[in-house]
Amino acid sequence: GQNIDQPTEMTATEGAIVQINCTYQTSGFNGLFWYQQHAGEAPTFLSYNVLDGLEEKGRFSSFLSRSKGYSYLLLKELQMKDSASYLCAVMDSNYQLIWGAGTKLIIKP
Amino acid sequence: IAGITQAPTSQILAAGRRMTLRCTQDMRHNAMYWYRQDLGLGLRLIHYSNTAGTTGKGEVPDGYSVSRANTDDFPLTLASAVPSQTSVYFCASSDSGASGNEQFFGPGTRLTVL
Repeated sequence: GQNIDQPTEMTATEGAIVQINCTYQTSGFNGLFWYQQHAGEAPTFLSYNVLDGLEEKGRFSSFLSRSKGYSYLLLKELQMKDSASYLCAVMDSNYQLIWGAGTKLIIKP
Repeated sequence: IAGITQAPTSQILAAGRRMTLRCTQDMRHNAMYWYRQDLGLGLRLIHYSNTAGTTGKGEVPDGYSVSRANTDDFPLTLASAVPSQTSVYFCASSDSGASGNEQFFGPGTRLTVL
């Protein structure tokens, strides 16, 4: 079966750095996405990785290792507005997104 | 530019009733999707459409139907609602169904079936 695993919840301090991990087992791989979802709102796109390595976009970076079936999202200089759920999704061989359950990130002052 | 809209925002429905959730996008995207999101689970794909006139089944299609008569609209119909269909429903669209194309999400419809 297809599976995406990520921690249910994480807590971090304002101004700090946090790394959210995602491991996956899917039938085929056509890229990995990270989305942010604030409570009661729609998911919004953060990043896309299809090749191994690190993609940096401002305070957010995303890393992919296809051989390990592993990705992480790194958030730097945390702000209170970063309190949200972070969703990892893999595009499988049918070009359908398989979603993890999301990691709820709680930022404390 | 609205992007992608959904209606209604929320709905309480008696079991056995028929319900259509509406979704409209103005981005001229070819691909559209319907997901449901339940607590503790990832988004699950119900149906999708890669282009107007075509539709396909996702992971959890039973009890739902869709149509794609034109590029902009992608309604989701529950023929006879059951309590297990209580969920938050998101419509999404992307330029195409191919790799690398991010999906844009509507604001969601919160549906409760009693």
